[in-house]
Amino acid sequence: GAVVSQHPSRVICKSGTSVKIECRSLDFQATTMFWYRQFPKQSLMLMATSNEGSKATYEQGVEKDKFLINHASLTLSTLTVTSAHPEDSSFYICSALDEKLFFGSGTQLSVL
Amino acid sequence: GENVEQHPSTLSVQEGDSAVIKCTYSDSASNYFPWYKQELGKGPQLIIDIRSNVGEKKDQRIAVTLNKTAKHFSLHITETQPEDSAVYFCAASEAGGYQKVTFGTGTKLQVIP
Repeated sequence: GAVVSQHPSRVICKSGTSVKIECRSLDFQATTMFWYRQFPKQSLMLMATSNEGSKATYEQGVEKDKFLINHASLTLSTLTVTSAHPEDSSFYICSALDEKLFFGSGTQLSVL
Repeated sequence: GENVEQHPSTLSVQEGDSAVIKCTYSDSASNYFPWYKQELGKGPQLIIDIRSNVGEKKDQRIAVTLNKTAKHFSLHITETQPEDSAVYFCAASEAGGYQKVTFGTGTKLQVIP
């Protein structure tokens, strides 16, 4: 299947700082990527749909000014968690469409 | 919007036995149903999928069945092995997966050696 690379796999930051997570489609071009958040022992919750060259579409309840998404090329989408707080600590996962939906390996964010 | 329910939440089977996970969906417009396996600390991995024009699909020890009328679909794993232990998610989507995918709540499968 198609390969989606996500970095970093783990990040620890201080409260108030910003963190950027990258999602790359390695062997295909993805006009659409998705960002999910997953709490321990829970399902994946869609945060936003990232479209290359246009603004992201956010799900209800997701703060667009806090979770900045940029999809500047057909192989790269980034999620920036701005002014992170402990409640933002979570497992963030990206996915990309190549006829089917393929996922990155996830990023464990811990905000101290 | 779409709502996907998944049962059971946990499942323990002896190595070599079969495991069955069941899901129901609410939106009759959904036409694409993927299944994902997620190991601890990793992203979900697509293991099999089925489209609404097919009733059953099999790939080695894994099979999926779909009942469009009842809005049910199931994952069947035969001859389970310890490496099958993981969390499995069903999902449903319209437009063949090109719109957002709604996930079930997950099933933690434990295969006991």
